[in-house]
Amino acid sequence: SQTIHQWPATLVQPVGSPLSLECTVEGTSNPNLYWYRQAAGRGLQLLFYSVGIGQISSEVPQNLSASRPQDRQFILSSKKLLLSDSGFYLCAWSPQGASIQYFGAGTRLSVL
Amino acid sequence: DQQVKQNSPSLSVQEGRISILNCDYTNSMFDYFLWYKKYPAEGPTFLISISSIKDKNEDGRFTVFLNKSAKHLSLHIVPSQPGDSAVYFCAASDGGTSYGKLTFGQGTILTVHP
Repeated sequence: SQTIHQWPATLVQPVGSPLSLECTVEGTSNPNLYWYRQAAGRGLQLLFYSVGIGQISSEVPQNLSASRPQDRQFILSSKKLLLSDSGFYLCAWSPQGASIQYFGAGTRLSVL
Repeated sequence: DQQVKQNSPSLSVQEGRISILNCDYTNSMFDYFLWYKKYPAEGPTFLISISSIKDKNEDGRFTVFLNKSAKHLSLHIVPSQPGDSAVYFCAASDGGTSYGKLTFGQGTILTVHP
């Protein structure tokens, strides 16, 4: 069966520090991968998606970037965190061509 | 421009009764709709979905209804249980995109009282 791992679960970082969140999927190949952010009291906002290795598309302009160095690995990064980057970050995957997405447990990021 | 809206931020029901969660959408290109359930500090879990060629889909205690003319869908939970207390998100997909983009509503907090 397929599983998705996301870490760390919580992270507290100072303003201006770098960020690296990692997500890996097991039990499938060539998945679509997604990064979402959920701000307090709001829905899920799609940040990045990837349909293959090295293929990254951004949905909204922001201080973050994403990379997909391997088929089942998706990384969310920032060179310098802003206070507004605080939130709950979720990684998700879906089979190619399917609409159902499966989510990781999420990372609570607090930028202080 | 919010294309998927859940206008009720919260809903409170008694255990054993029916919970009805509502969702409206504006984009007529959406052709697949999903409901997710989310507990605090966890990722959303897929619950049930419906294609635009159907008007009802049932899975155990969960039934999703789709009214295309009204651009409205609803999730019925019968009977409601305390363990159903969570945030429920509806989401919609436009089959025209190559990467299965989902557009989410803001979520509705469901509380089921024993």
